[in-house]
Amino acid sequence: ETGVTQTPRHLVMGMTNKKSLKCEQHLGHNAMYWYKQSAKKPLELMFVYSLEERVENNSVPSRFSPECPNSSHLFLHLHTLQPEDSALYLCASSQGHRGEKLFFGSGTQLSVL
Amino acid sequence: GESVGLHLPTLSVQEGDNSIINCAYSNSASDYFIWYKQESGKGPQFIIDIRSNMDKRQGQRVTVLLNKTVKHLSLQIAATQPGDSAVYFCAESSPSNTGKLIFGQGTTLQVKP
Repeated sequence: ETGVTQTPRHLVMGMTNKKSLKCEQHLGHNAMYWYKQSAKKPLELMFVYSLEERVENNSVPSRFSPECPNSSHLFLHLHTLQPEDSALYLCASSQGHRGEKLFFGSGTQLSVL
Repeated sequence: GESVGLHLPTLSVQEGDNSIINCAYSNSASDYFIWYKQESGKGPQFIIDIRSNMDKRQGQRVTVLLNKTVKHLSLQIAATQPGDSAVYFCAESSPSNTGKLIFGQGTTLQVKP
Protein backbone atom coordinates (compact mmCIF):
# COMPACT_ATOMS: atom_id res chain seq x y z
CA GLU A 1 0.00 0.00 0.00
CA THR A 2 1.33 3.42 -0.92
CA GLY A 3 -1.05 5.46 1.23
CA VAL A 4 -3.02 6.77 -1.75
CA THR A 5 -6.45 5.23 -2.23
CA GLN A 6 -8.55 5.61 -5.36
CA THR A 7 -12.17 4.66 -5.93
CA PRO A 8 -13.71 3.16 -7.90
CA ARG A 9 -11.12 0.78 -9.34
CA HIS A 10 -13.17 0.30 -12.50
CA LEU A 11 -15.80 2.49 -14.11
CA VAL A 12 -17.85 2.07 -17.25
CA MET A 13 -19.90 5.05 -18.35
CA GLY A 14 -21.84 6.28 -21.32
CA MET A 15 -21.05 9.54 -23.04
CA THR A 16 -24.01 11.28 -21.42
CA ASN A 17 -23.28 10.16 -17.86
CA LYS A 18 -21.81 12.17 -15.01
CA LYS A 19 -19.46 10.40 -12.64
CA SER A 20 -16.72 11.28 -10.18
CA LEU A 21 -13.39 9.69 -9.33
CA LYS A 22 -12.18 9.95 -5.76
CA CYS A 23 -8.69 9.98 -4.31
CA GLU A 24 -7.57 10.10 -0.70
CA GLN A 25 -4.02 10.28 0.60
CA HIS A 26 -2.96 9.29 4.11
CA LEU A 27 0.64 10.48 3.87
CA GLY A 28 0.32 14.03 5.15
CA HIS A 29 1.35 15.42 1.77
CA ASN A 30 0.32 18.87 0.61
CA ALA A 31 0.21 18.35 -3.15
CA MET A 32 -2.04 16.10 -5.20
CA TYR A 33 -2.15 15.25 -8.90
CA TRP A 34 -4.28 13.66 -11.58
CA TYR A 35 -2.51 11.75 -14.36
CA LYS A 36 -3.93 10.00 -17.40
CA GLN A 37 -2.32 6.76 -18.57
CA SER A 38 -3.23 5.54 -22.05
CA ALA A 39 -1.86 2.47 -23.78
CA LYS A 40 1.54 2.99 -25.40
CA LYS A 41 1.76 6.62 -24.24
CA PRO A 42 3.70 8.23 -21.42
CA LEU A 43 1.90 9.36 -18.30
CA GLU A 44 0.15 12.67 -18.97
CA LEU A 45 -0.14 15.22 -16.20
CA MET A 46 -3.66 16.69 -16.02
CA PHE A 47 -3.93 18.75 -12.85
CA VAL A 48 -1.82 19.72 -9.86
CA TYR A 49 -3.13 21.00 -6.55
CA SER A 50 -0.89 22.46 -3.89
CA LEU A 51 -2.39 23.32 -0.53
CA GLU A 52 -5.83 22.95 -2.11
CA GLU A 53 -5.11 25.49 -4.84
CA ARG A 54 -4.87 24.44 -8.44
CA VAL A 55 -1.37 25.28 -9.65
CA GLU A 56 -1.43 23.54 -12.98
CA ASN A 57 -4.00 22.68 -15.60
CA ASN A 58 -2.41 21.04 -18.62
CA SER A 59 -4.88 22.11 -21.32
CA VAL A 60 -7.34 19.49 -20.19
CA PRO A 61 -10.82 19.61 -21.79
CA SER A 62 -13.53 21.13 -19.62
CA ARG A 63 -15.39 17.81 -19.50
CA PHE A 64 -12.83 16.96 -16.78
CA SER A 65 -13.37 19.05 -13.65
CA PRO A 66 -11.11 18.61 -10.62
CA GLU A 67 -11.97 19.45 -7.04
CA CYS A 68 -9.70 19.54 -4.01
CA PRO A 69 -11.71 20.24 -0.84
CA ASN A 70 -8.72 19.68 1.46
CA SER A 71 -5.14 18.48 1.25
CA SER A 72 -6.14 14.83 1.72
CA HIS A 73 -8.90 14.53 -0.86
CA LEU A 74 -9.04 15.01 -4.60
CA PHE A 75 -11.89 14.43 -7.01
CA LEU A 76 -12.17 14.32 -10.78
CA HIS A 77 -15.68 15.04 -12.00
CA LEU A 78 -16.49 13.62 -15.42
CA HIS A 79 -19.29 14.62 -17.79
CA THR A 80 -20.06 14.07 -21.47
CA LEU A 81 -16.84 12.12 -22.00
CA GLN A 82 -15.70 10.72 -25.32
CA PRO A 83 -14.57 7.15 -26.08
CA GLU A 84 -10.99 8.42 -26.47
CA ASP A 85 -11.09 9.40 -22.79
CA SER A 86 -10.99 5.73 -21.88
CA ALA A 87 -7.79 5.23 -19.90
CA LEU A 88 -6.33 4.57 -16.46
CA TYR A 89 -6.63 7.68 -14.29
CA LEU A 90 -4.00 7.87 -11.61
CA CYS A 91 -3.96 10.04 -8.55
CA ALA A 92 -0.68 10.90 -6.86
CA SER A 93 0.55 12.95 -3.94
CA SER A 94 3.84 14.49 -2.90
CA GLN A 95 5.29 16.58 -0.12
CA GLY A 96 5.82 19.63 -2.33
CA HIS A 97 4.27 20.43 -5.69
CA ARG A 98 7.44 20.24 -7.72
CA GLY A 99 6.52 16.72 -8.74
CA GLU A 100 9.39 14.91 -7.08
CA LYS A 101 8.89 11.44 -5.66
CA LEU A 102 5.22 11.07 -6.36
CA PHE A 103 3.24 8.40 -4.55
CA PHE A 104 0.57 6.91 -6.80
CA GLY A 105 -2.73 5.22 -6.15
CA SER A 106 -3.77 2.09 -8.05
CA GLY A 107 -5.86 4.09 -10.48
CA THR A 108 -9.37 4.00 -11.88
CA GLN A 109 -9.72 2.10 -15.15
CA LEU A 110 -12.28 4.12 -17.08
CA SER A 111 -14.16 2.87 -20.14
CA VAL A 112 -16.39 5.29 -22.05
CA LEU A 113 -18.94 3.63 -24.30
CA GLY B 1 11.51 19.87 -26.98
CA GLU B 2 11.59 17.68 -23.94
CA SER B 3 11.37 13.97 -24.28
CA VAL B 4 12.25 11.04 -22.17
CA GLY B 5 12.60 7.74 -23.88
CA LEU B 6 13.52 4.18 -23.13
CA HIS B 7 15.62 2.31 -25.62
CA LEU B 8 13.65 -0.93 -25.69
CA PRO B 9 9.92 -1.46 -25.18
CA THR B 10 10.46 -5.03 -23.91
CA LEU B 11 13.35 -6.72 -22.13
CA SER B 12 13.39 -10.44 -21.44
CA VAL B 13 15.88 -11.88 -18.92
CA GLN B 14 16.48 -15.18 -17.20
CA GLU B 15 15.73 -15.44 -13.51
CA GLY B 16 18.90 -14.81 -11.54
CA ASP B 17 20.54 -12.70 -14.24
CA ASN B 18 21.13 -8.98 -13.94
CA SER B 19 18.82 -6.60 -15.82
CA ILE B 20 19.72 -3.24 -17.28
CA ILE B 21 16.97 -0.88 -18.37
CA ASN B 22 18.02 2.23 -20.24
CA CYS B 23 16.57 5.67 -20.59
CA ALA B 24 17.63 8.69 -22.65
CA TYR B 25 16.60 12.26 -21.89
CA SER B 26 16.89 15.40 -23.94
CA ASN B 27 16.81 18.27 -21.44
CA SER B 28 20.33 19.05 -20.30
CA ALA B 29 18.88 21.25 -17.53
CA SER B 30 17.20 18.28 -15.85
CA ASP B 31 18.53 17.86 -12.33
CA TYR B 32 16.37 15.11 -10.87
CA PHE B 33 15.64 11.63 -12.17
CA ILE B 34 13.44 8.86 -10.86
CA TRP B 35 12.51 5.28 -11.68
CA TYR B 36 9.10 3.74 -11.15
CA LYS B 37 7.87 0.15 -11.39
CA GLN B 38 4.30 -0.59 -12.42
CA GLU B 39 2.86 -4.05 -11.98
CA SER B 40 -0.29 -5.13 -13.72
CA GLY B 41 -3.38 -3.60 -12.10
CA LYS B 42 -1.37 -1.29 -9.86
CA GLY B 43 -0.16 2.27 -9.92
CA PRO B 44 3.51 3.18 -10.43
CA GLN B 45 5.68 2.44 -7.40
CA PHE B 46 8.81 4.43 -6.54
CA ILE B 47 12.06 2.46 -6.92
CA ILE B 48 14.96 4.87 -6.70
CA ASP B 49 15.88 8.45 -7.55
CA ILE B 50 19.05 10.41 -8.21
CA ARG B 51 20.04 14.06 -8.46
CA SER B 52 22.33 15.45 -11.10
CA ASN B 53 25.18 16.01 -8.63
CA MET B 54 25.58 12.23 -8.40
CA ASP B 55 26.59 9.60 -10.97
CA LYS B 56 25.45 6.52 -9.13
CA ARG B 57 23.07 5.57 -6.39
CA GLN B 58 22.38 2.16 -4.94
CA GLY B 59 19.36 0.68 -3.29
CA GLN B 60 18.39 -2.82 -2.38
CA ARG B 61 19.27 -4.91 -5.48
CA VAL B 62 18.91 -1.81 -7.67
CA THR B 63 21.42 0.72 -8.92
CA VAL B 64 20.77 3.87 -10.93
CA LEU B 65 23.53 5.28 -13.10
CA LEU B 66 23.46 8.78 -14.54
CA ASN B 67 25.65 9.89 -17.42
CA LYS B 68 25.04 13.59 -17.91
CA THR B 69 27.50 13.84 -20.79
CA VAL B 70 25.33 11.71 -23.05
CA LYS B 71 22.08 12.34 -21.17
CA HIS B 72 21.59 8.71 -20.30
CA LEU B 73 20.05 7.03 -17.28
CA SER B 74 20.01 3.34 -16.48
CA LEU B 75 18.45 1.08 -13.89
CA GLN B 76 20.29 -2.08 -12.97
CA ILE B 77 18.51 -4.87 -11.14
CA ALA B 78 20.70 -7.54 -9.62
CA ALA B 79 19.65 -11.20 -9.49
CA THR B 80 16.36 -10.56 -11.25
CA GLN B 81 13.39 -12.36 -9.75
CA PRO B 82 9.94 -13.21 -11.17
CA GLY B 83 8.48 -10.50 -8.92
CA ASP B 84 10.51 -7.95 -10.85
CA SER B 85 8.33 -8.51 -13.93
CA ALA B 86 6.63 -5.17 -14.55
CA VAL B 87 6.76 -2.02 -16.64
CA TYR B 88 9.57 0.34 -15.64
CA PHE B 89 9.35 4.10 -16.21
CA CYS B 90 11.99 6.74 -15.95
CA ALA B 91 11.11 10.38 -15.37
CA GLU B 92 13.03 13.65 -15.19
CA SER B 93 12.41 17.11 -13.90
CA SER B 94 14.17 20.42 -14.26
CA PRO B 95 13.88 23.85 -12.63
CA SER B 96 13.10 25.30 -16.06
CA ASN B 97 9.95 23.16 -16.15
CA THR B 98 8.82 24.10 -12.62
CA GLY B 99 10.07 20.73 -11.45
CA LYS B 100 7.29 18.88 -13.23
CA LEU B 101 8.08 15.20 -13.80
CA ILE B 102 8.25 14.18 -17.46
CA PHE B 103 7.74 10.45 -17.91
CA GLY B 104 9.13 8.09 -20.51
CA GLN B 105 7.04 5.50 -22.27
CA GLY B 106 8.10 2.47 -20.27
CA THR B 107 10.01 -0.79 -20.71
CA THR B 108 8.33 -4.09 -19.99
CA LEU B 109 10.63 -6.46 -18.10
CA GLN B 110 9.81 -10.14 -18.51
CA VAL B 111 11.59 -12.59 -16.22
CA LYS B 112 11.82 -16.15 -17.48
CA PRO B 113 11.96 -18.88 -14.82
